[in-house]
Amino acid sequence: GESVGLHLPTLSVQEGDNSIINCAYSNSASDYFIWYKQESGKGPQFIIDIRSNMDKRQGQRVTVLLNKTVKHLSLQIAATQPGDSAVYFCAENMNTGFQKLVFGTGTRLLVSP
Amino acid sequence: EAQVTQNPRYLITVTGKKLTVTCSQNMNHEYMSWYRQDPGLGLRQIYYSMNVEVTDKGDVPEGYKVSRKEKRNFPLILESPSPNQTSLYFCASSSAGGSYEQYFGPGTRLTVT
Repeated sequence: GESVGLHLPTLSVQEGDNSIINCAYSNSASDYFIWYKQESGKGPQFIIDIRSNMDKRQGQRVTVLLNKTVKHLSLQIAATQPGDSAVYFCAENMNTGFQKLVFGTGTRLLVSP
Repeated sequence: EAQVTQNPRYLITVTGKKLTVTCSQNMNHEYMSWYRQDPGLGLRQIYYSMNVEVTDKGDVPEGYKVSRKEKRNFPLILESPSPNQTSLYFCASSSAGGSYEQYFGPGTRLTVT
């Protein structure tokens, strides 16, 4: 499959562990944030989003935390499974009056059985 | 099934030979966008379109053209490809209102020799 990043930061965990992936964003005026998952050979896939008026949002096995004070976003994955192995990207909407998503460079998550 | 399709998935071409990568979505989305993905640089926006006949440059538009004659289609045109356009390309679409979640196509791996 395609290589999306030869020099990405990598997080290695054991199956069943909880994973935390971090992201620093750039624009204090950004109003919306998304986490995407990209498996080898595929396009990015939506995981969870959060608006800037919230500081936490939970989905199925995933939680996103937003700290606007330090412009930091994190994705927590509970009970990580081998199928969670992928590259994870955060994206911020720059709030310029129309949709403008800016993506981070990504973190590779490796889950070993 | 709601999806974004791209063709071709893989293309090897030579410098200067015009090519078009097609993108089509079946979700009646107003907003469509093209990105390129390079190792260590993440996803960078090339061009976007807010609706039919409305297009604008993204962050890395040089060497590319787009058109939006129909709502569902948003082709990417390389009039005279060069080796520095070797990359992985993604088309994405989203609805104009509410969530800014972008749905991505499967990607087109382009190699220019």
